Amino acid sequence: GEDVEQSLFLSVREGDSSVINCTYTDSSSTYLYWYKQEPGAGLQLLTYIFSNMDMKQDQRLTVLLNKKDKHLSLRIADTQTGDSAIYFCAEINDYGQNFVFGPGTRLSVLP
Amino acid sequence: GAGVSQTPSNKVTEKGKYVELRCDPISGHTALYWYRQSLGQGPEFLIYFQGTGAADDSGLPNDRFFAVRPEGSVSTLKIQRTERGDSAVYLCASSLFPDGGELFFGEGSRLTVL
Repeated sequence: GEDVEQSLFLSVREGDSSVINCTYTDSSSTYLYWYKQEPGAGLQLLTYIFSNMDMKQDQRLTVLLNKKDKHLSLRIADTQTGDSAIYFCAEINDYGQNFVFGPGTRLSVLP
Repeated sequence: GAGVSQTPSNKVTEKGKYVELRCDPISGHTALYWYRQSLGQGPEFLIYFQGTGAADDSGLPNDRFFAVRPEGSVSTLKIQRTERGDSAVYLCASSLFPDGGELFFGEGSRLTVL
């Protein structure tokens, strides 16, 4: 079955860049996603990348996809305290129905 | 409504009791998902509806769990004979497209089984 792995914690200083990494197993995933979860709130889609792309940039966010290594990363430039949250990597399964989420990376931004 | 609405937001029950959790998706969204999130973990898939039918219920852990969506809108997740291990946040999400579109999540129903 599908499996998505992430490191559990990341701590950065305000203004630095954050890089959150993810590995996945399903090579047929059409889309790969990054969701953000703030304390006490539901998950919110941050960005996604189509599997035939290597990179996608959206303001402070850069997503890099290495299909050969099944590695996805999310870079947040100029990280702010408001970026403190849990970030989930997700892929969609073979049948395009079931989203599989990683365990989440808790990002702490220090002043 | 404007977003996915889940009720109750918190539910405390005793072991062995029956529980219903309700999800009201975004109007017009045909796809509806239930996930379960335990502390420190990512959401774990339970069941997916396309319209009124359960297109994939492979994530339901056992036959104590059941979900319905009789009119293709509101869904209810039903848990019989609750166990302490069922304690988690139950998340509902809906999507306009059934094949990989953005999932819109509710804030979840936190279930605590004593």
